[in-house]
Amino acid sequence: DAKTTQPTSMDCAEGRAANLPCNHSTISGNEYVYWYRQIHSQGPQYIIHGLKNNETNEMASLIITEDRKSSTLILPHATLRDTAVYYCIPANTGNQFYFGTGTSLTVIP
Amino acid sequence: DAGVTQSPTHLIKTRGQQVTLRCSPKSGHDTVSWYQQALGQGPQFIFQYYEEEERQRGNFPDRFSGHQFPNYSSELNVNALLLGDSALYLCASSLLDRDGYEQYFGPGTRLTVT
Repeated sequence: DAKTTQPTSMDCAEGRAANLPCNHSTISGNEYVYWYRQIHSQGPQYIIHGLKNNETNEMASLIITEDRKSSTLILPHATLRDTAVYYCIPANTGNQFYFGTGTSLTVIP
Repeated sequence: DAGVTQSPTHLIKTRGQQVTLRCSPKSGHDTVSWYQQALGQGPQFIFQYYEEEERQRGNFPDRFSGHQFPNYSSELNVNALLLGDSALYLCASSLLDRDGYEQYFGPGTRLTVT
């Protein structure tokens, strides 16, 4: 059973904000929402994670809805180097990650 | 600070052979997880090691086995290789007792079975 639903692909103009949605309606109370990205054939790169509150770091912002059933990753000013597959992963501390199929983001010049 | 390292980078084996892949976790990390990523798919969890014991296991046959050493490094062994074992094998390290701590991934080992 899929744990998350993400758009298969999205485009974003360079310099604009990229908003990547994720539905995780079956998330349990103690599961965090992790976001990773993977550039072609490289290892997944950690972006950000959160439990209930919105989070921001130097790479991105994470908005989690109050019912925790969905979240949005925001890349504030997308660059060509942000072209990658983005994965949203609900998981407990120390537990295995289910990656799903992710969203293939293409940043267009 | 070196991140997660994996060796070798690439490997070509023949059906029926055995292979060993190696992983050194990020400094200070005590937990190592292995994932298999077939072409065009997301990574799939194989197993996780903590304190030199297999702590969790995904839906992989017994041909896949592993080991964790006292210095926290880890090996993944695959016996009786099949063509379908061709994939990118990823290692991730973490700290088990830190609530919400993220996993850090290595660059992977590309295994081709012919």
